[in-house]
Amino acid sequence: ELKVEQNPLFLSMQEGKNYTIYCNYSTTSDRLYWYRQDPGKSLESLFVLLSNGAVKQEGRLMASLDTKARLSTLHITAAVHDLSATYFCAVDIRNDYKLSFGAGTTVTVRA
Amino acid sequence: GAGVSQSPSNKVTEKGKDVELRCDPISGHTALYWYRQSLGQGLEFLIYFQGNSAPDKSGLPSDRFSAERTGGSVSTLTIQRTQQEDSAVYLCASSFERGVPGANVLTFGAGSRLTVL
Repeated sequence: ELKVEQNPLFLSMQEGKNYTIYCNYSTTSDRLYWYRQDPGKSLESLFVLLSNGAVKQEGRLMASLDTKARLSTLHITAAVHDLSATYFCAVDIRNDYKLSFGAGTTVTVRA
Repeated sequence: GAGVSQSPSNKVTEKGKDVELRCDPISGHTALYWYRQSLGQGLEFLIYFQGNSAPDKSGLPSDRFSAERTGGSVSTLTIQRTQQEDSAVYLCASSFERGVPGANVLTFGAGSRLTVL
């Protein structure tokens, strides 16, 4: 059974500092997705990582994928308040677009 | 439409009643998914529709759950004889047909929050 584990589950960030969220998964896959969810809102697609070594960057967020280690990281540079949200990683192990999600990392950025 | 539309946004029902949740996907998206998000949990896959193919129902938790998609567009998720453990946010997502560029990006609706008393 595929397990997708995120850590930490809760992350209190200080504005201006750098942080990393980790996503480990238990079965081989080269399709990994990061989503953001604001309270009461739908999930917003952030990154699609489709190969080993893939790196995507958007603003203060950068995601990478190491398929051999079964690990993806979401790196936040110089955190700002509007990055407060819950971040989910999701894995597609059978290339059938049925995503298995991690439990989510709730990020709070404080001044 | 511009996005995935779900209704109702909130539904409170009594244990044992049936509920229907509706999803209107993005125009042109042939793939449609239902996920469930329980309090403090990640998202749980329920069912997947792709074009005219038979739906993948492998994620439905019990035979009280069913879904249909009419005309390849709007989908309805029905929960019969609701139980308290059915309380969750039910999320619908749609995407392009598999193999089409961008097919692997799911666009989610805002969800239908179901509370079973």
